[in-house]
Amino acid sequence: DADVTQTPRNRITKTGKRIMLECSQTKGHDRMYWYRQDPGLGLRLIYYSFDVKDINKGEISDGYSVSRQAQAKFSLSLESAIPNQTALYFCATSMTASTGELFFGEGSRLTVL
Amino acid sequence: RKEVEQDPGPFNVPEGATVAFNCTYSNSASQSFFWYRQDCRKEPKLLMSVYSSGNEDGRFTAQLNRASQYISLLIRDSKLSDSATYLCVVNINTGNQFYFGTGTSLTVIP
Repeated sequence: DADVTQTPRNRITKTGKRIMLECSQTKGHDRMYWYRQDPGLGLRLIYYSFDVKDINKGEISDGYSVSRQAQAKFSLSLESAIPNQTALYFCATSMTASTGELFFGEGSRLTVL
Repeated sequence: RKEVEQDPGPFNVPEGATVAFNCTYSNSASQSFFWYRQDCRKEPKLLMSVYSSGNEDGRFTAQLNRASQYISLLIRDSKLSDSATYLCVVNINTGNQFYFGTGTSLTVIP
Protein backbone atom coordinates (compact mmCIF):
# COMPACT_ATOMS: atom_id res chain seq x y z
CA ASP A 1 0.00 0.00 0.00
CA ALA A 2 1.09 3.54 -0.73
CA ASP A 3 2.41 5.61 2.17
CA VAL A 4 0.60 8.69 0.88
CA THR A 5 -2.88 7.95 -0.40
CA GLN A 6 -5.08 10.31 -2.35
CA THR A 7 -8.77 9.92 -3.08
CA PRO A 8 -10.33 10.12 -5.54
CA ARG A 9 -7.73 9.34 -8.18
CA ASN A 10 -9.89 10.69 -10.95
CA ARG A 11 -12.89 12.96 -10.85
CA ILE A 12 -14.98 14.71 -13.46
CA THR A 13 -17.31 17.39 -12.20
CA LYS A 14 -19.25 20.40 -13.35
CA THR A 15 -18.67 24.08 -12.83
CA GLY A 16 -20.00 25.27 -9.48
CA LYS A 17 -19.84 21.93 -7.71
CA ARG A 18 -18.04 21.48 -4.41
CA ILE A 19 -15.19 19.01 -4.57
CA MET A 20 -13.02 17.56 -1.84
CA LEU A 21 -9.75 15.78 -2.44
CA GLU A 22 -8.48 13.75 0.48
CA CYS A 23 -4.99 12.79 1.47
CA SER A 24 -3.88 10.42 4.18
CA GLN A 25 -0.39 9.28 5.10
CA THR A 26 1.15 6.53 7.14
CA LYS A 27 4.65 7.99 7.21
CA GLY A 28 4.17 9.81 10.49
CA HIS A 29 5.28 13.09 8.94
CA ASP A 30 4.19 16.39 10.39
CA ARG A 31 4.39 18.40 7.18
CA MET A 32 1.81 18.05 4.46
CA TYR A 33 1.36 19.93 1.20
CA TRP A 34 -1.07 20.27 -1.68
CA TYR A 35 0.28 21.02 -5.16
CA ARG A 36 -1.31 21.28 -8.55
CA GLN A 37 0.46 20.44 -11.78
CA ASP A 38 -0.39 21.96 -15.13
CA PRO A 39 1.38 21.40 -18.44
CA GLY A 40 4.11 23.98 -18.92
CA LEU A 41 3.70 25.40 -15.42
CA GLY A 42 5.16 22.69 -13.24
CA LEU A 43 4.04 22.03 -9.70
CA ARG A 44 2.68 24.96 -7.77
CA LEU A 45 1.99 25.02 -4.06
CA ILE A 46 -1.61 25.58 -2.99
CA TYR A 47 -1.51 25.13 0.79
CA TYR A 48 0.77 23.57 3.35
CA SER A 49 0.55 22.56 6.98
CA PHE A 50 3.23 21.82 9.53
CA ASP A 51 0.90 20.36 12.13
CA VAL A 52 -2.76 20.03 12.96
CA LYS A 53 -3.09 23.65 14.08
CA ASP A 54 -1.02 25.12 11.31
CA ILE A 55 -2.36 26.09 7.87
CA ASN A 56 -0.48 28.27 5.41
CA LYS A 57 -1.31 29.62 1.99
CA GLY A 58 0.95 28.76 -0.87
CA GLU A 59 1.49 30.40 -4.21
CA ILE A 60 -2.00 29.80 -5.61
CA SER A 61 -4.48 29.43 -2.75
CA ASP A 62 -7.36 31.45 -4.22
CA GLY A 63 -10.40 29.25 -4.84
CA TYR A 64 -9.16 26.53 -2.51
CA SER A 65 -9.41 25.71 1.17
CA VAL A 66 -7.86 23.00 3.29
CA SER A 67 -8.46 21.15 6.50
CA ARG A 68 -5.89 19.31 8.60
CA GLN A 69 -8.13 16.96 10.51
CA ALA A 70 -5.32 14.98 12.07
CA GLN A 71 -1.60 14.56 11.64
CA ALA A 72 -2.25 11.92 9.02
CA LYS A 73 -5.00 13.67 7.05
CA PHE A 74 -5.01 16.80 4.92
CA SER A 75 -7.93 17.54 2.63
CA LEU A 76 -8.26 20.08 -0.16
CA SER A 77 -11.62 21.62 -1.05
CA LEU A 78 -12.80 23.50 -4.07
CA GLU A 79 -15.92 25.27 -2.85
CA SER A 80 -17.18 26.11 -6.32
CA ALA A 81 -15.15 24.42 -9.01
CA ILE A 82 -14.31 26.26 -12.21
CA PRO A 83 -12.80 24.91 -15.46
CA ASN A 84 -9.36 26.45 -14.89
CA GLN A 85 -9.05 24.29 -11.80
CA THR A 86 -8.77 21.31 -14.10
CA ALA A 87 -5.37 19.88 -13.21
CA LEU A 88 -3.45 17.06 -11.61
CA TYR A 89 -3.34 17.53 -7.84
CA PHE A 90 -0.66 16.06 -5.63
CA CYS A 91 -0.51 15.71 -1.90
CA ALA A 92 2.96 15.46 -0.40
CA THR A 93 4.52 14.98 3.00
CA SER A 94 7.89 15.65 4.49
CA MET A 95 9.50 15.01 7.82
CA THR A 96 11.91 17.88 7.95
CA ALA A 97 13.09 20.25 5.31
CA SER A 98 16.71 19.40 5.93
CA THR A 99 16.37 16.12 4.07
CA GLY A 100 14.48 17.88 1.35
CA GLU A 101 12.57 14.84 0.41
CA LEU A 102 8.94 15.28 -0.40
CA PHE A 103 6.91 12.07 -0.60
CA PHE A 104 4.05 12.38 -3.04
CA GLY A 105 0.74 10.65 -3.36
CA GLU A 106 -0.17 9.17 -6.72
CA GLY A 107 -2.15 12.23 -7.72
CA SER A 108 -5.79 13.14 -8.25
CA ARG A 109 -6.79 14.10 -11.76
CA LEU A 110 -9.64 16.60 -11.64
CA THR A 111 -11.60 17.74 -14.66
CA VAL A 112 -14.08 20.58 -14.31
CA LEU A 113 -16.50 20.88 -17.21
CA ARG B 1 10.20 35.94 -12.92
CA LYS B 2 9.95 32.27 -12.05
CA GLU B 3 11.86 31.05 -9.03
CA VAL B 4 13.20 28.07 -10.94
CA GLU B 5 13.66 27.76 -14.68
CA GLN B 6 14.48 24.75 -16.78
CA ASP B 7 14.74 24.04 -20.46
CA PRO B 8 11.62 21.91 -21.09
CA GLY B 9 13.28 19.98 -23.89
CA PRO B 10 12.40 17.49 -25.13
CA PHE B 11 15.76 15.81 -25.19
CA ASN B 12 15.82 12.74 -27.42
CA VAL B 13 19.07 10.82 -27.07
CA PRO B 14 20.28 7.36 -28.12
CA GLU B 15 21.03 4.68 -25.59
CA GLY B 16 24.49 5.08 -24.14
CA ALA B 17 24.62 8.82 -24.67
CA THR B 18 25.52 11.38 -22.06
CA VAL B 19 22.98 14.10 -21.48
CA ALA B 20 23.05 17.17 -19.26
CA PHE B 21 20.25 19.30 -17.90
CA ASN B 22 20.60 22.73 -16.41
CA CYS B 23 18.37 24.68 -14.09
CA THR B 24 18.63 28.24 -12.86
CA TYR B 25 17.15 29.75 -9.74
CA SER B 26 16.46 33.37 -9.00
CA ASN B 27 16.70 33.66 -5.22
CA SER B 28 20.24 33.86 -3.92
CA ALA B 29 18.96 32.85 -0.48
CA SER B 30 18.03 29.40 -1.76
CA GLN B 31 19.34 26.79 0.59
CA SER B 32 18.63 23.30 -0.67
CA PHE B 33 18.56 21.85 -4.15
CA PHE B 34 17.22 18.63 -5.58
CA TRP B 35 16.48 16.70 -8.72
CA TYR B 36 13.23 14.76 -8.88
CA ARG B 37 12.15 12.31 -11.53
CA GLN B 38 8.59 12.07 -12.77
CA ASP B 39 7.35 9.32 -15.04
CA CYS B 40 4.36 9.96 -17.26
CA ARG B 41 1.18 10.38 -15.21
CA LYS B 42 3.01 9.38 -12.03
CA GLU B 43 4.07 11.24 -8.93
CA PRO B 44 7.49 12.91 -8.68
CA LYS B 45 10.14 10.99 -6.77
CA LEU B 46 13.43 12.22 -5.38
CA LEU B 47 16.34 11.33 -7.65
CA MET B 48 19.10 13.03 -5.71
CA SER B 49 19.93 16.01 -3.56
CA VAL B 50 22.49 18.47 -4.85
CA TYR B 51 25.35 19.40 -2.58
CA SER B 52 27.70 22.36 -2.86
CA SER B 53 30.67 20.16 -3.59
CA GLY B 54 28.80 18.19 -6.24
CA ASN B 55 27.73 14.62 -5.82
CA GLU B 56 27.44 11.44 -7.81
CA ASP B 57 25.14 8.47 -7.63
CA GLY B 58 26.05 5.83 -10.14
CA ARG B 59 25.50 7.24 -13.62
CA PHE B 60 24.06 10.48 -12.25
CA THR B 61 26.10 13.52 -11.27
CA ALA B 62 24.64 16.68 -9.79
CA GLN B 63 26.41 19.99 -9.45
CA LEU B 64 25.62 23.32 -7.90
CA ASN B 65 27.07 26.67 -8.85
CA ARG B 66 25.95 29.21 -6.28
CA ALA B 67 27.76 32.12 -7.89
CA SER B 68 25.86 31.65 -11.14
CA GLN B 69 22.76 30.25 -9.44
CA TYR B 70 22.43 27.13 -11.49
CA ILE B 71 22.16 23.42 -10.89
CA SER B 72 23.03 20.69 -13.32
CA LEU B 73 22.29 17.00 -13.74
CA LEU B 74 24.48 14.78 -15.89
CA ILE B 75 23.34 11.33 -16.93
CA ARG B 76 25.98 9.04 -18.39
CA ASP B 77 25.40 5.89 -20.40
CA SER B 78 21.70 6.62 -20.81
CA LYS B 79 19.29 3.71 -20.45
CA LEU B 80 15.82 3.34 -21.90
CA SER B 81 14.54 3.38 -18.34
CA ASP B 82 15.92 6.89 -17.86
CA SER B 83 13.12 8.24 -20.06
CA ALA B 84 11.13 10.57 -17.82
CA THR B 85 10.73 14.20 -16.88
CA TYR B 86 13.38 15.60 -14.57
CA LEU B 87 12.32 18.31 -12.15
CA CYS B 88 14.66 20.80 -10.57
CA VAL B 89 13.57 21.75 -7.05
CA VAL B 90 14.81 24.54 -4.82
CA ASN B 91 14.04 25.16 -1.16
CA ILE B 92 14.36 28.81 -0.21
CA ASN B 93 13.30 28.95 3.41
CA THR B 94 14.11 25.67 5.01
CA GLY B 95 10.91 23.88 5.79
CA ASN B 96 8.19 25.61 3.95
CA GLN B 97 8.74 26.49 0.35
CA PHE B 98 9.83 24.05 -2.30
CA TYR B 99 9.84 25.58 -5.77
CA PHE B 100 9.68 23.31 -8.77
CA GLY B 101 10.92 23.90 -12.26
CA THR B 102 8.58 22.95 -15.08
CA GLY B 103 10.66 19.88 -15.83
CA THR B 104 12.86 18.66 -18.66
CA SER B 105 11.58 15.78 -20.75
CA LEU B 106 14.06 13.05 -21.69
CA THR B 107 13.44 10.22 -24.11
CA VAL B 108 16.15 7.62 -24.58
CA ILE B 109 15.88 5.96 -27.96
CA PRO B 110 16.99 2.37 -28.67
